[in-house]
Amino acid sequence: DQQVKQNSPSLSVQEGRISILNCDYTNSMFDYFLWYKKYPAEGPTFLISISSIKDKNEDGRFTVFLNKSAKHLSLHIVPSQPGDSAVYFCAAGGVNEKLTFGTGTRLTIIP
Amino acid sequence: GAGVSQSPSNKVTEKGKDVELRCDPISGHTALYWYRQSLGQGLEFLIYFQGNSAPDKSGLPSDRFSAERTGGSVSTLTIQRTQQEDSAVYLCASSLEGLGSYEQYFGPGTRLTVT
Repeated sequence: DQQVKQNSPSLSVQEGRISILNCDYTNSMFDYFLWYKKYPAEGPTFLISISSIKDKNEDGRFTVFLNKSAKHLSLHIVPSQPGDSAVYFCAAGGVNEKLTFGTGTRLTIIP
Repeated sequence: GAGVSQSPSNKVTEKGKDVELRCDPISGHTALYWYRQSLGQGLEFLIYFQGNSAPDKSGLPSDRFSAERTGGSVSTLTIQRTQQEDSAVYLCASSLEGLGSYEQYFGPGTRLTVT
């Protein structure tokens, strides 16, 4: 049973526009959420996180939104840049829960 | 400081042979994780170490897979009698503490190809 789902395997966005990546989870014990970015032939790198006590966290061009009632989080990238092209994984965890990753969304920024 | 390192970066082996994959976590990180990413798939959890003990081995696909960690540092993932379906990128990560409340830092992975 997939506890963390990324239903869009791929997404293409024009350079300069907003990229929105979505993630849904089922385990109500998750209280900490992260986004990772992965380039080919490299390990994933941490991008941004949010704890369940917040509904928004912003870091430069990256903003993560959390809707606990819907068990949904999203990552907004604005403006999108060519270097943002990568695979993005969402992950969820908690004090007594190991980190569980989604299947990833491949983002392509079109120049 | 140094990040997580893994060796070898690439490994090609014949079906039926044993392989060992090594992970050096970030110094001072108590938790260490092994994941597998098969072609077109997400990150599949294999095993988690807290110190030298493995509280969660639930992701190991079969008894051909084993892992150990010594000195609270280096970890080795061993796959015995490799099969073609074992071909994947094996990723190691470490974090300051365990479970899911801390960012995990990943190594570059070992690409295993079983022919």
